[in-house]
Amino acid sequence: DGGITQSPKYLFRKEGQNVTLSCEQNLNHDAMYWYRQDPGQGLRLIYYSQIVNDFQKGDIAEGYSVSREKKESFPLTVTSAQKNPTAFYLCASTLIGRNYGYTFGSGTRLTVV
Amino acid sequence: KQEVTQIPAALSVPEGENLVLNCSFTDSAIYNLQWFRQDPGKGLTSLLLIQSSQREQTSGRLNASLDKSSGRSTLYIAASQPGDSATYLCAVRDRDDKIIFGKGTRLHILP
Repeated sequence: DGGITQSPKYLFRKEGQNVTLSCEQNLNHDAMYWYRQDPGQGLRLIYYSQIVNDFQKGDIAEGYSVSREKKESFPLTVTSAQKNPTAFYLCASTLIGRNYGYTFGSGTRLTVV
Repeated sequence: KQEVTQIPAALSVPEGENLVLNCSFTDSAIYNLQWFRQDPGKGLTSLLLIQSSQREQTSGRLNASLDKSSGRSTLYIAASQPGDSATYLCAVRDRDDKIIFGKGTRLHILP
């Protein structure tokens, strides 16, 4: 079955450490997105990519980095510059074009210890 | 800037009742509107996708309507069940190809 796989499901980060969240899709979707979800704040866009080797900052990109070397993969690195990284991270993908909806992964919960 | 608002933020209803969740958006220049369901600690599951040219979509006990000119959508759930308890999110796909979410409605169906 086609879908989006996020791993790991739970991740713990020490202060000052970089961590990378994985997002892989086998839907042949063009565009991929990373969102952060905090209680009471809804989903906020971190980065998105509409084509391989190109990506754009979203509303809260500071302290995060991404790469898009393959169409299927869009990993997110949470750097030590992100001062409050504890959150639920969601990856999504879609086809380019006005008629398509978005598909989401099951999320990664990141906790700073 | 597009803003999406969902009212109410939380709702509790007895099992078996029909209910309506509301979503409003400020800019009518959208490609489509999508309703999602999110269970605690889980990802988003797409429920219904309405294109900007459509008025409604139905799936089982769910019916979503769209009035683009007034910037409103409703999600109607018929004969609610305890398994319907979840957070329901509304999202619009704007002309910049981004998706903008509301903050959701937390629904609790009382057995």
